[in-house]
Amino acid sequence: DGGITQSPKYLFRKEGQNVTLSCEQNLNHDAMYWYRQDPGQGLRLIYYSQIVNDFQKGDIAEGYSVSREKKESFPLTVTSAQKNPTAFYLCASGHYNEQFFGPGTRLTVL
Amino acid sequence: DAKTTQPPSMDCAEGRAANLPCNHSTISGNEYVYWYRQIHSQGPQYIIHGLKNNETNEMASLIITEDRKSSTLILPHATLRDTAVYYCIVSGNYGGSQGNLIFGKGTKLSVKP
Repeated sequence: DGGITQSPKYLFRKEGQNVTLSCEQNLNHDAMYWYRQDPGQGLRLIYYSQIVNDFQKGDIAEGYSVSREKKESFPLTVTSAQKNPTAFYLCASGHYNEQFFGPGTRLTVL
Repeated sequence: DAKTTQPPSMDCAEGRAANLPCNHSTISGNEYVYWYRQIHSQGPQYIIHGLKNNETNEMASLIITEDRKSSTLILPHATLRDTAVYYCIVSGNYGGSQGNLIFGKGTKLSVKP
């Protein structure tokens, strides 16, 4: 099956802990993206990467970090510096005029 | 800043056409109009995109006005499974991959039996 996988689906962490969200794609896409969605809101771009070993900040990058060591993988770390990390996190990969989204990870910080 | 304006919600009867409007009066010449939808608690799904001409695929039709300041997404025969939030997005097409997509709040379409 081709597509994008995100794990886990639900994640609970204590305040002050860093947490890493996984995103893997086997679509051979160069571009990958991370978005955050809060209840009743649209998606906001956190980070994106157009090619391996390169990535750019999106609109709300503060408190987040990423790496792109492999074409297939684009993990997102939510650090303790992120003031309000509880949200729905979506990963996507891009090919020409389409972005393909994963199922998302719902992070709750207690 | 949002580049598009959409109504917050719309209703449609099952089997009828759903016409979702979008205003994008500040669109520039090299920007495309994209439509995505998001079914509750899932990742968004690409529907269609266009530059100037009207477009049709197996999911929907996209009608863009001649001045390109507005567009309409048409679902020709809406079903209950089309109930979702529909996002209209304006973005450039950089080097074969999409530029950054700005998702506003979209239109919540409710298809009723």
